[in-house]
Formats: sequence, structure tokens, C-alpha cells
Amino acid sequence: NAGVTQTPKFQVLKTGQSMTLQCAQDMNHEYMSWYRQDPGMGLRLIHYSVGAGITDQGEVPNGYNVSRSTTEDFPLRLLSAAPSQTSVYFCATLGEQGSNYGYTFGSGTRLTVV
Amino acid sequence: AQSVAQPEDQVKVAEGNPLTVKCTYSVSGNPYLFWYVQYPNRGLQFLLKYITGDNLVKGSYGFEAEFNKSQTSFHLKKPSALVSDSALYFCAVSLSGSARQLTFGSGTQLTVLP
Repeated sequence: NAGVTQTPKFQVLKTGQSMTLQCAQDMNHEYMSWYRQDPGMGLRLIHYSVGAGITDQGEVPNGYNVSRSTTEDFPLRLLSAAPSQTSVYFCATLGEQGSNYGYTFGSGTRLTVV
Repeated sequence: AQSVAQPEDQVKVAEGNPLTVKCTYSVSGNPYLFWYVQYPNRGLQFLLKYITGDNLVKGSYGFEAEFNKSQTSFHLKKPSALVSDSALYFCAVSLSGSARQLTFGSGTQLTVLP
């Protein structure tokens, strides 16, 4: 049982490049989300999904796109990377059944935009 | 809008002493409250949660937190700190009925001195 798997772990992009951060889960959780972590600011919600085919914006969605074609996968796309998107990105799923109610986080993707 | 505040960026305690990491929140309804811990270059690990029931919640690694509705606080405590407790701690809040769209505090760096 892998939980939440994020790839890649590290990435350096040049300004204007695009890339996709991958997130996959094997827990059959309906709710998935993407956060970015910046020093002194905690984690801020970028986008979230309540199930396959359904996505919505969080607190800081600009510059990011998401899609949810399957329950398992929730990729985050940067269309044109900017230095302000240098951050650590976390994917998280929410288990909403019984005593295990709560989030499971991936190990993160550290992105640097130069 | 919901919000959460961690008023201390850093907390330092001596090993064996009790520790407290403070958290206050603001929501319009009844909150779901969480504490997470993050070790260097790792994802977030769940410590404990308050959804309903007893105001004193016990969690992983000997940590506990007390939900105080009148003071809108959810401080994290441990009776006897260990050097291995040194990490970044996050408080998070969501509205009653769901933990979806979790809002995080800015984090508190705990250092336990030997």
C-alpha cells in the first residue's frame, strides 16, 4: 500500500517552461488536493477535486491547471513557469471513512524556477 | 472565511520539560481541527484531530491538544519533550461537516534542546 505517490521529487525549470507534477493514490479516496508550501506561510490550497471529473480552485490557483480523469490520479500542470512558483508542492488525499478520517500527504515535489 | 493563527514562529524547550505549541482559529461554524508535524525534507504526518466529543484529544507520540471553544484555541501539548520532537508543527482548521479545503497555520518550529 503506497498511499500517495508524487513525482518527481525535485525539478528545476526555466522561466516560461511547462511541466506536470504527478500525484497518484491507491486508497480510493474521492477527495484530492494540491498545496504549496512557502516559508512562513504554511500550506496554501491550489486546487482540489471531490471526485473524477470534478475540480475546483483553492486559495492560490493562478498559473496552475488540474484535471481528474480517474480516481487514482490528480496531476498539477504549470503552463508557463514563473520564479514565484518556486515552492514545495504537496498532494494530499482525504479519507472520509470511520476512524481513519483524515489526510494523507505525499512526500512532496521541490520545484525551483530560474 | 476560516483562518488559523500560530502566534509563535519558534518555540524552544529543554528536553524533559513540558512543551506547548499555540494555535487559535476563526470559523463561522463548528470546526474540525488538526495538528500535523513535518520533519526536514519530508511530507506532513498526522498527529491528532478534534471533530467532536471530548475537548482533550490524545494523539501520536505522546502529544495531546485541548479544544477550547470559548477561547477558540487548540494548543498542542506534551508533558515531557524529547530531542526527536524537534520539527515544524502545523495547525489546520476546516468547517464542520467536512475536513475538505483545510486551512493551515504558518507553522511553528519546535526545537528541543538536549
